[in-house]
Amino acid sequence: GAGVSQSPSNKVTEKGKDVELRCDPISGHTALYWYRQSLGQGLEFLIYFQGNSAPDKSGLPSDRFSAERTGGSVSTLTIQRTQQEDSAVYLCASSSYSGVAFFGQGTRLTVV
Amino acid sequence: AQSVTQLDSQVPVFEEAPVELRCNYSSSVSVYLFWYVQYPNQGLQLLLKYLSGSTLVKGINGFEAEFNKSQTSFHLRKPSVHISDTAEYFCAVSASSTGTASKLTFGTGTRLQVTL
Repeated sequence: GAGVSQSPSNKVTEKGKDVELRCDPISGHTALYWYRQSLGQGLEFLIYFQGNSAPDKSGLPSDRFSAERTGGSVSTLTIQRTQQEDSAVYLCASSSYSGVAFFGQGTRLTVV
Repeated sequence: AQSVTQLDSQVPVFEEAPVELRCNYSSSVSVYLFWYVQYPNQGLQLLLKYLSGSTLVKGINGFEAEFNKSQTSFHLRKPSVHISDTAEYFCAVSASSTGTASKLTFGTGTRLQVTL
């Protein structure tokens, strides 16, 4: 597609439920990132995929968070047993060799 | 590993005044540098980038930045700001030693507030 696409754009879930957030990167981009942005805060790095290399998971806040990237393209971020502190905007970005990252519009997750 | 420091969390400025948003980075290898802008309730948008060549980089909306290797800085400047420039600005760095960019590392952001 023309840009990075994220779905859903908004998600409201009950505490304790699992959620899946999807990211479709720009075709041909080898790198994919997930970030989290809480209200009024900066970007919190979550995970980084680069080609066929093992992902950099150093930013995942707990073992309730996981992500995969299938076929080097689409990525899914899964949050298990959601907590209220998980409420945030989850941003996905992809980039080519130059490192210029293009961001999606994000998924706003609200845990009630 | 690379790191980025944006010393100013907020910068208030009057319309039509000049502004400089500071960014310093740390890296043991060559770097690519970026500034991103996030307008209220919107996603991040690339403002400008330094990959190689001229150290003075011009971006969108009249912004420019200068790469200073000796001072490890990449400050963002605009000679005359507008109300519409009110936004969050993020500086970012990635390593370029292999010819392919490494993981992008962001600073904590600077909130530019332009008032009349």
